[in-house]
Amino acid sequence: QKEVEQNSGPLSVPEGAIASLNCTYSDRGSQSFFWYRQYSGKSPELIMFIYSNGDKEDGRFTAQLNKASQYVSLLIRDSQPSDSATYLCACDYGSSNTGKLIFGQGTTLQVKP
Amino acid sequence: DAGVIQSPRHEVTEMGQEVTLRCKPISGHNSLFWYRQTMMRGLELLIYFNNNVPIDDSGMPEDRFSAKMPNASFSTLKIQPSEPRDSAVYFCASRRDRLPQHFGDGTRLSIL
Repeated sequence: QKEVEQNSGPLSVPEGAIASLNCTYSDRGSQSFFWYRQYSGKSPELIMFIYSNGDKEDGRFTAQLNKASQYVSLLIRDSQPSDSATYLCACDYGSSNTGKLIFGQGTTLQVKP
Repeated sequence: DAGVIQSPRHEVTEMGQEVTLRCKPISGHNSLFWYRQTMMRGLELLIYFNNNVPIDDSGMPEDRFSAKMPNASFSTLKIQPSEPRDSAVYFCASRRDRLPQHFGDGTRLSIL
C-alpha cells in the first residue's frame, strides 16, 4: 500500500512566523512531489513541485526534498492569515511521472493575526 | 486562460438514479484525471486518461462507476446506480505532458 503521511494539525502559527509542514512517503520509486493548498470548500491549488533532492524556493515558499529519508517539507515564511488553509502533499506513484498522484490527508494551517 | 471546467457544481439526487459528471480540461492538456474527496478517505484518484485513452482505472470503486473521454476536450464520470456512500466532492484535473496537474472547481454530489 503506497502511502503519504501528514500530520493533520491544526498547526497554529502567529502572523509573520515561519510555518513548517511535513510529509513522508512510502514509495521509494517516487520522483515527483507536489504541495497543493486547499481553502475550505474550494479545489486544490498547486503551490510548489519538486523533483530533485534539496531545496526549491518560490517567493515565500520553500519546498525541501530528502529522498533518502523519504521526506518532503514546505516552509512558508512571513506567514499571513490568508495562508490559513489545508496543505496537501502528493507523490507521483512510481518512477515514471505518470501523474498518478497519491495524496496525504492534509495539514490544516492556522495563521493568527 | 480558462481553467478546468466541471459541471454541474452541485448535484443532489436520490439513491438509484444515474449521475453524470462532466469535465472540460484546459486546452492543450493531454492528460485528464478524476478524483474523489471525502473526509474519511481524503483525495483519491479514480481514473486517468492520456491522449483520451484510459490508462489506469484501478481507483474506480465499483462497476457502478464508469468514465469516458470521447475527445480531447470532454470527459464524463458516470455512476449508475448511485448510492448514498457515493456522496463526495468529485474533482477533475488536467495536465500537459509531465507538468503538474491543475484542478477544476469540483462537483459536490449528494445522494439521498
